[in-house]
Amino acid sequence: KQEVTQIPAALSVPEGENLVLNCSFTDSAIYNLQWFRQDPGKGLTSLLLIQSSQREQTSGRLNASLDKSSGRSTLYIAASQPGDSATYLCAVKAGNQFYFGTGTSLTVIP
Amino acid sequence: NAGVTQTPKFQVLKTGQSMTLQCAQDMNHNSMYWYRQDPGMGLRLIYYSASEGTTDKGEVPNGYNVSRLNKREFSLRLESAAPSQTSVYFCASSLAGGPVETQYFGPGTRLLVL
Repeated sequence: KQEVTQIPAALSVPEGENLVLNCSFTDSAIYNLQWFRQDPGKGLTSLLLIQSSQREQTSGRLNASLDKSSGRSTLYIAASQPGDSATYLCAVKAGNQFYFGTGTSLTVIP
Repeated sequence: NAGVTQTPKFQVLKTGQSMTLQCAQDMNHNSMYWYRQDPGMGLRLIYYSASEGTTDKGEVPNGYNVSRLNKREFSLRLESAAPSQTSVYFCASSLAGGPVETQYFGPGTRLLVL
């Protein structure tokens, strides 16, 4: 069974810092990996999707990398802002299902 | 486009009562999913439907039933609610058929079972 882990569970940084969120998965037989953002009391919003054949994807201040062989992905956020405060979840697609990590709660302090 | 919609937004039930959570998508997606989200547990898949007319169990299907009414709608039914089913329920949809498949989520239904 695919297991997805996110470390750390919570992170606080001052505004302007660059930061890295980590995601690891136990089975490298994945189709893709997706990073989501979840604001309190809201649904999930897709940030980036990396296909299994890709190494990274970029969108604005966000950069996601994928090392399928080692079962790891990172989400890099540049020049963090208070509006980036949210929970970030990663999910991998294996077979017909998606498997989610428990998320990293990010607080950016003004 | 509305994307993925869910009703109701919030519901309180007594133990033993039944209810149906509704989900609809207007993106012509073939796959739909029901998840529950609990503190410290992440999102866990309850049931999914890869296409109209098919449904499959996910990680935590016990106590739930689903119906894929048509391509747009996928409902989740609790026949006899239990306090352990207190959770936030999310519906999602995706366009499957290839390795690149992005999931789109609804806003969630918050369920409290007393």
